[in-house]
Amino acid sequence: DIQMTQSPSSLSASVGDRVTITCRASQGIRNDLGWYQQKPGKAPKRLIYAASSLQSGVPSRFSGSGSGTEFTLTISSLQPEDFATYYCLQHNSYPYTFGQGTMLEIK
Amino acid sequence: DVQLLESGGGLVQPGGSLRLSCAASGFTFSSYAMSWVRQAPGKGLEWVSVIGTSDGSTYYADSVKGRFTISRDNPKSTLYLQMSSLRAEDTAVYYCARNAWLEFWGQGTLVTVSS
Repeated sequence: DIQMTQSPSSLSASVGDRVTITCRASQGIRNDLGWYQQKPGKAPKRLIYAASSLQSGVPSRFSGSGSGTEFTLTISSLQPEDFATYYCLQHNSYPYTFGQGTMLEIK
Repeated sequence: DVQLLESGGGLVQPGGSLRLSCAASGFTFSSYAMSWVRQAPGKGLEWVSVIGTSDGSTYYADSVKGRFTISRDNPKSTLYLQMSSLRAEDTAVYYCARNAWLEFWGQGTLVTVSS
């Protein structure tokens, strides 16, 4: 199975900050990766697909990059509504696997 | 608009069975693979299963293989997850999602396995 190692597990930041979250795959997954945002008590929402493509309706301050084994999600200027938990998902081979999640908190 | 509405969750005893449903609308259900994902209380997301479109090919997480069965009824635009031999560690919110890469999600249904 492909392991997804996500870091950091938690992050404190301020409104306006630039933040980066990383996912590393235990083997190459091309660009078969998505990023998801989850707020408490809500279903996850996809932000990025194919590693770097922005889901329709998602603000442009979100961006993704990477290919192979190393991927990043960047939020260019944090807004109050961005404080949430973020997950990566590899969909290159079954069983699909999520990263452990990154809880983004207000500093 | 795409809508996915899960139902069928509840309290079940260890060793028991439960069938979850996911009613889809706003898109051509038969044209999309469909998935189940779960989240134990206070924990991260865990991919559970996926079913293809016409050929009905299925894949499962090792943790549920042999106990859970995913299926679909295309004329009814409904996805199912039949769960048997349930364990305490199956307690979670279960989400259905459109396609294999989880483009859109339902709001989830809670399954609690406890005596």
